[in-house]
Amino acid sequence: SAVISQKPSRDICQRGTSLTIQCQVDSQVTMMFWYRQQPGQSLTLIATANQGSEATYESGFVIDKFPISRPNLTFSTLTVSNMSPEDSSIYLCSVEDPRGMTEKLFFGSGTQLSVL
Amino acid sequence: QKEVEQDPGPLSVPEGAIVSLNCTYSNSAFQYFMWYRQYSRKGPELLMYTYSSGNKEDGRFTAQVDKSSKYISLFIRDSQPSDSATYLCAMRAASGSARQLTFGSGTQLTVLP
Repeated sequence: SAVISQKPSRDICQRGTSLTIQCQVDSQVTMMFWYRQQPGQSLTLIATANQGSEATYESGFVIDKFPISRPNLTFSTLTVSNMSPEDSSIYLCSVEDPRGMTEKLFFGSGTQLSVL
Repeated sequence: QKEVEQDPGPLSVPEGAIVSLNCTYSNSAFQYFMWYRQYSRKGPELLMYTYSSGNKEDGRFTAQVDKSSKYISLFIRDSQPSDSATYLCAMRAASGSARQLTFGSGTQLTVLP
């Protein structure tokens, strides 16, 4: 299994500011995933973070808005930039099973973001 | 139309009841089917996964896949208050990776003592 520590757990931010979310995994993993979970909507993949290369963004998400860092195989950050109330959501980081069972994703506890 | 449809609930049942949670999907390429459980203020955790059609049982939980109808179900027998959570279905094609996982919007379940 993989244990993921994500912080902050929640934050209330002002419009126009930025928030950086940190994700620490207790084992080395190749890919880390960042998801957004809006009320009543399905988990939506924002981007995949690979160590040593640029993150891969999904349709509708851009690097300027959601810059990602992946300095090593156990850590990643997601920044939500120039926030607006529409960015209010839960943000989750996730990793695949380090044993390689790709159906199994492990998730952090999430960051509840409210933008005023 | 969404690729995966899931009744959002909320669903409230008495302790001991049999619970049926369902998802329908439109992509016939989906081969791997998963159910995640998410407690309040926690991330989702994998509960069950199945490949292709058929049933899979794990304790009080049974996952069922009907590919001809593009319909999957999760049954919970002898439901407990500790089963109160949001249940998310997820699926992907055989050739896909974790990046291609498609999630349902989740069904909120409350089991009353």
